[in-house]
Amino acid sequence: EDQVTQSPEALRLQEGESSSLNCSYTVSGLRGLFWYRQDPGKGPEFLFTLYSAGEEKEKERLKATLTKKESFLHITAPKPEDSATYLCAVYSDKLIFGTGTRLQVFP
Amino acid sequence: GAGVSQSPSNKVTEKGKDVELRCDPISGHTALYWYRQRLGQGLEFLIYFQGNSAPDKSGLPSDRFSAERTGESVSTLTIQRTQQEDSAVYLCASTLGGLARSDTQYFGPGTRLTVL
Repeated sequence: EDQVTQSPEALRLQEGESSSLNCSYTVSGLRGLFWYRQDPGKGPEFLFTLYSAGEEKEKERLKATLTKKESFLHITAPKPEDSATYLCAVYSDKLIFGTGTRLQVFP
Repeated sequence: GAGVSQSPSNKVTEKGKDVELRCDPISGHTALYWYRQRLGQGLEFLIYFQGNSAPDKSGLPSDRFSAERTGESVSTLTIQRTQQEDSAVYLCASTLGGLARSDTQYFGPGTRLTVL
């Protein structure tokens, strides 16, 4: 059965303290892996799409990487405004979301 | 330009009633998606429309759920005989192309459905 697991469930960081969020997946025939940011009470905001192992994408303080089993979202020198829930989704024959990592960055 | 809009923003209904949720995608976007997000949980894929192709309905949880799309514009998600477990935020998203392309998904603000 296709599965997507995100870890940790919650992460508290000091401003400037870099870290990584993990998205592990087991699917048959990966067609794409997506990262989103979701603020409370709002719809998700698309961040990245990754299609093949070894691919990397960057946007400001965020960098997403992909292997055959997992993806990492690296956050470099985070700021309080990076606080949000980060969602990962995998597309094979359907789109499956993880439950997200709730990130809090304190000044 | 306008983003994805959804209406109503909030809907409270009684168990057993039918509800219709509306999504207006970004103009020109060929693909439209519906998701459900229960409190404290991740997004659950419901249905995907891509151009004139048959919709991917694989995520619809039961035959009480149905969705339609008029061409490449507005979509309605209908839930018949609502149950309390249908309470959730229903999110709509659109993309210029399909999921297999590197297209940004734009989400609407969602409709919060509460079934009493």
